[in-house]
Amino acid sequence: QSALTQPASVSGSPGQSITISCTGTSSDVGGYNYVSWYQQHPGKAPKLMIYDVTKRPSGVSNRFSGSKSGNTASLTISGLQAEDEADYYCNSYSSSGPSYVFGTGTEVTVL
Amino acid sequence: EVQLVESGGGLVQPGGSLRLSCAASGFSFSSFWMTWVRQTPGKGLEWVGNIQQDGNAKYYADSVKGRLTISRDNAKSSLFLQMNSLRPEDTAVYFCARDFIGTGSHDHWGQGTLVTVSS
Repeated sequence: QSALTQPASVSGSPGQSITISCTGTSSDVGGYNYVSWYQQHPGKAPKLMIYDVTKRPSGVSNRFSGSKSGNTASLTISGLQAEDEADYYCNSYSSSGPSYVFGTGTEVTVL
Repeated sequence: EVQLVESGGGLVQPGGSLRLSCAASGFSFSSFWMTWVRQTPGKGLEWVGNIQQDGNAKYYADSVKGRLTISRDNAKSSLFLQMNSLRPEDTAVYFCARDFIGTGSHDHWGQGTLVTVSS
């Protein structure tokens, strides 16, 4: 149950698009469409942003989108805004256990 | 409105025990899988385990298997985490979360309760 690999930090200017990657294995990300993404502001609980690789919960901005190719999932934030500055975590179902595994987390900075 | 409120955190010595609770409201608790997730101070999220609607099926992360036990009381809309043989590396904020039906994700989270394992 090793953590999924994410870049430690990603930054962009307001209005730009950024993409966060999440790399796992064929036992988790690559094997199932149960990849989700969470946004977490300091001192707050995580918030679900994307589920089932590409779906957005009600109320989440369409500036957030998800995709997957092989063992790597991605979260793209378009039209970057100051309020998007936060930590982002991916999560995937894993056949090991079975269980779920989170990514290492990515700090997004809006320049 | 869906609400999840954790309680029971605190300071405990290595080898000690603690029981966390999560009070749920605003939804039909007995209809949902529930999950515990923890976050080491200043670090990332770690999935701890989950429990089926009727409590019969439970799954755990390898790091907690045999020491942490998840249970629930559907009559009281409550989720529990019994923590035994605690280690310093169990120090974390513990969140309870509701599983989003059929998706493998967690759509509602509590604010968390801090557990500190230290002598």
